[in-house]
Amino acid sequence: SAVISQKPSRDICQRGTSLTIQCQVDSQVTMMFWYRQQPGQSLTLIATANQGSEATYESGFVIDKFPISRPNLTFSTLTVSNMSPEDSSIYLCSVTGTGGSDTQYFGPGTRLTVL
Amino acid sequence: AQSVTQPDIHITVSEGASLELRCNYSYGATPYLFWYVQSPGQGLQLLLKYFSGDTLVQGIKGFEAEFKRSQSSFNLRKPSVHWSDAAEYFCAVGGGATNKLIFGTGTLLAVQP
Repeated sequence: SAVISQKPSRDICQRGTSLTIQCQVDSQVTMMFWYRQQPGQSLTLIATANQGSEATYESGFVIDKFPISRPNLTFSTLTVSNMSPEDSSIYLCSVTGTGGSDTQYFGPGTRLTVL
Repeated sequence: AQSVTQPDIHITVSEGASLELRCNYSYGATPYLFWYVQSPGQGLQLLLKYFSGDTLVQGIKGFEAEFKRSQSSFNLRKPSVHWSDAAEYFCAVGGGATNKLIFGTGTLLAVQP
């Protein structure tokens, strides 16, 4: 499986600011996803990051709040904009392989605390 | 609607005892089923998956799961639990062109010495 890294691993931010989270994969992958895991909760899909086109957002998530970039097949970023304490969560990226695998592999996550 | 139910929020077992974590799903098409484990402060690690074929699948760390279509279940089992198995376990269902995964709410496993 691919090796996935995320930066930063954790951060503490002030409300009203923005944070960009990076997801780097050691091989080319077909699909990349961004999830949110609120404290004590399960994972919720934010969006699918499409290479060369706009991300596809799930219901309840909008591009203005969570802009996503995917410039190539190994890298994506998620920005959490105009943060509030309710944005305090773990943000995880996941990937599927170039072979069309339906299995998702997850990065280690970014733990965000908004004060 | 597509969904995953993990009825047990929290389970405590003694080290060496057997374990079964329950997972029920609702999915319109043939499901792809997954179990992931999340240790404290860590990302998700894939334990095992079921796409088709043999309904009993083996995974890492001595875990196995059985797909029962008639019961819409995909329960996770381990014959003898180790203290290092203490973690949160997530069942997920997905598949199709979008590859989207729907996660259950998770089961937190505690292991008593």
